[in-house]
Amino acid sequence: AQSVTQLGSHVSVSEGALVLLRCNYSSSVPPYLFWYVQYPNQGLQLLLKYTSAATLVKGINGFEAEFKKSETSFHLTKPSAHMSDAAEYFCAVSSSLTGANNLFFGTGTRLTVIP
Amino acid sequence: EPEVTQTPSHQVTQMGQEVILRCVPISNHLYFYWYRQILGQKVEFLVSFYNNEISEKSEIFDDQFSVERPDGSNFTLKIRSTKLEDSAMYFCASSVGPSSYEQYFGPGTRLTVT
Repeated sequence: AQSVTQLGSHVSVSEGALVLLRCNYSSSVPPYLFWYVQYPNQGLQLLLKYTSAATLVKGINGFEAEFKKSETSFHLTKPSAHMSDAAEYFCAVSSSLTGANNLFFGTGTRLTVIP
Repeated sequence: EPEVTQTPSHQVTQMGQEVILRCVPISNHLYFYWYRQILGQKVEFLVSFYNNEISEKSEIFDDQFSVERPDGSNFTLKIRSTKLEDSAMYFCASSVGPSSYEQYFGPGTRLTVT
């Protein structure tokens, strides 16, 4: 079974400061890991994904995440926050097993960027 | 850029009524999904659909739920007899392939059961 835990339902950062959103996963098989962003009244948009290639993954809008198997973590970072980064961020895991396609989402972290 | 569309954006229905939520996935995608998000809670998987049949479903997806791809472009979720606890945002998603492939999400349908 797969699950993810996102520490911190709300994170506030100042504009220009480092963004760090935490995600820890649990998986009985090698996982695929994803970060999605949700802007108000919109669907989920993929930021980046880890699918067993490079452990440091770069995504859109300057975000990146590092897969650390020893820590079962996949934290999302951005060196310098922008006002437009304010949104809800979801970490998700799926199984690498054939035929197991569904995503298991975390509870989300709402990012607020303070001017 | 191709996108997943969903209609309606908001549906209000009375308890016990049937509702059909509609989705148009991206045209060359082969895998289709429904998820739901109860207000303030996490996004939860309901069902995945591939090759005209359900490939996976969660415990939430009981006999009250059904999915269909009636005409090769639409993908529908039917709830036969709605309950108050079915009130949620329902998201449709589609992907080219399984597991490692990106799932593209629609904007959602907000279902309110009164």
